[in-house]
Amino acid sequence: EVQLVESGGGLVKPGESLRLSCAASGFIFSSYTMNWVRQAPGKGLEWVSSITSTADYIYYGDSMKGRFTVSRDNAKNSHYLQMNDLRGGDTAVYYCAREIGTEAFDVWGRGTMVIVSS
Amino acid sequence: QSVLTQPPSASGTPGQRVTISCSGSSSNIGSNYVLWYQQLPGTAPKLLIYTNNQRPSGVPDRFSGSKSGTSASLAISGLRSEDEADYYCTAWDGSLNVRLFGGGTKLTVL
Repeated sequence: EVQLVESGGGLVKPGESLRLSCAASGFIFSSYTMNWVRQAPGKGLEWVSSITSTADYIYYGDSMKGRFTVSRDNAKNSHYLQMNDLRGGDTAVYYCAREIGTEAFDVWGRGTMVIVSS
Repeated sequence: QSVLTQPPSASGTPGQRVTISCSGSSSNIGSNYVLWYQQLPGTAPKLLIYTNNQRPSGVPDRFSGSKSGTSASLAISGLRSEDEADYYCTAWDGSLNVRLFGGGTKLTVL
């Protein structure tokens, strides 16, 4: 079964850091671009980052640039999001998603909740 | 960052046809694929339409997508109660090098 499982969310204080992980199974992880998408409580979807299959291209949403770093380990079938200097506006459910050749995010995880609060 | 504009809400009665619009610009919708996602309450988004008008296997043909210039639309015909969800359009913006999502449209089936 094709599956993505996020982990690493939790409650942190403003200015602190957190590292999210996304574990993939059921498909050849190293062949796919991976993305992070977040959703603040009661709000819409916001794209966070994209990393190509060999990490040769990496992109970030504007509000994440300079604070978030995406990476992947194809040997471990895993994808990561390092989040630094967290702010209240970063409070959200963070989803990882697989991207297929047509730019479609065809597989999503269930998400991991990040709460930034003092 | 959201420069794709969707109406915040839409509604219809069972059996009706509803359309949801998504307006952008030449650097996003005008020059890249539009995709649509459906998000049921409490669940992860689900791919509904890709490459402007293609449906993944398993998505009923009641759902259709179209694009013209810098705007796109999602049409749902034969509306059913289970279609009640949030719908999001998205497109890559080649000038900003970011993926944009619309603000989402909450569809209510009356």
